[in-house]
Amino acid sequence: EDQVTQSPEALRLQEGESSSLNCSYTVSGLRGLFWYRQDPGKGPEFLFTLYSAGEEKEKERLKATLTKKESFLHITAPKPEDSATYLCAVLANNAGNMLTFGGGTRLMVKP
Amino acid sequence: SQTIHQWPATLVQPVGSPLSLECTVEGTSNPNLYWYRQAAGRGLQLLFYSVGIGQISSEVPQNLSASRPQDRQFILSSKKLLLSDSGFYLCASEYRDKGSPLHFGNGTRLTVT
Repeated sequence: EDQVTQSPEALRLQEGESSSLNCSYTVSGLRGLFWYRQDPGKGPEFLFTLYSAGEEKEKERLKATLTKKESFLHITAPKPEDSATYLCAVLANNAGNMLTFGGGTRLMVKP
Repeated sequence: SQTIHQWPATLVQPVGSPLSLECTVEGTSNPNLYWYRQAAGRGLQLLFYSVGIGQISSEVPQNLSASRPQDRQFILSSKKLLLSDSGFYLCASEYRDKGSPLHFGNGTRLTVT
């Protein structure tokens, strides 16, 4: 069974304090790994897709990386507006188009 | 790019009443469509998905049903709501390319009282 575990569940940072969020996964064969940002009361917003180990994607203060067992979302010098829940999801080779989501990491950045 | 419209944004319904949530998609044709439910502080649970008009697959046996009467319209329904149906319901759409990301609407917050 495909599994996705995100850690930590919640993370408090001071503005400017860089950190990383973790997404560990177990799948029979990875077709893609997706990162989303979700603001309270809103739907998830797509951030990145990673397809193979060693791949990296960047967008403003965010950088996503991928290994064969996990993905990291690195946040450099975060700002209060980066506060949100970050969701990770995987698409496995044998899952058709069905994503398996992790439980998310709730990030709070204080000014 | 595609835009997913969901309404209503919030809904309070009594136990035993019917439900109809609607989702429409702009900016793409023949998308795969999905209904997810998100409980407070938890991940997303896939409820239904559709690869075409009239084609619905259910992932979890439950009190809910889904229909796709038009290519870019997806409806979530219930004949009689239960307290356990409360939650945040999200509609999502994706292009048919394998590995393309899901795009979500802004959800409906349903409270069953």
